[in-house]
Amino acid sequence: DAMVIQNPRYQVTQFGKPVTLSCSQTLNHNVMYWYQQKSSQAPKLLFHYYDKDFNNEADTPDNFQSRRPNTSFCFLDIRSPGLGDAAMYLCATSSRDSTSTDTQYFGPGTRLTVL
Amino acid sequence: AQSVTQLGSHVSVSEGALVLLRCNYSSSVPPYLFWYVQYPNQGLQLLLKYTSAATLVKGINGFEAEFKKSETSFHLTKPSAHMSDAAEYFCAVRDSSASKIIFGSGTRLSIRP
Repeated sequence: DAMVIQNPRYQVTQFGKPVTLSCSQTLNHNVMYWYQQKSSQAPKLLFHYYDKDFNNEADTPDNFQSRRPNTSFCFLDIRSPGLGDAAMYLCATSSRDSTSTDTQYFGPGTRLTVL
Repeated sequence: AQSVTQLGSHVSVSEGALVLLRCNYSSSVPPYLFWYVQYPNQGLQLLLKYTSAATLVKGINGFEAEFKKSETSFHLTKPSAHMSDAAEYFCAVRDSSASKIIFGSGTRLSIRP
């Protein structure tokens, strides 16, 4: 089955220690998104890649970076995690063209704990 | 800009009862609307979507939603609740100008035995 995969599902890091979260997809979608979701809140878009074009949300802290080395993979780097960065991180993909609805499909998420 | 409002942060129904989760949208253009479900410690799963075809949209797990332009609503319903329906439900609208989707604040559905 085509899908969005996130690894690891649970990640523990120390305050200030860089961490990388991984997302891969077999849907061959041209857009990949990263969201942060805190408890009992809606997902908050951090940024997305449309093909190789990076689109950052205006309120995303500089502490969050992303890389997309190819169509299938996208990474979220948190350079110096703070306690406030503990959250669920969701990756999503969509197929964007002039005829599509740009429907987003989500991975299972990575729950990040910062000690 | 488009937006959605979900009425009721928490809805509780008895098993076998009707489920009704409310969503109202605001959009200056014909909207694309979505309902997603999220189980604990999981990602979001697409339940259904409205893309300006039929106004009554059927989704997975027995859910459906009706697009009502006159009421700017896209409420989610299920005739008979099951214990496995307990989850968080998000209504969303596509923001075509910004190429992203805007989520509502979510409604937590609880099912009483």
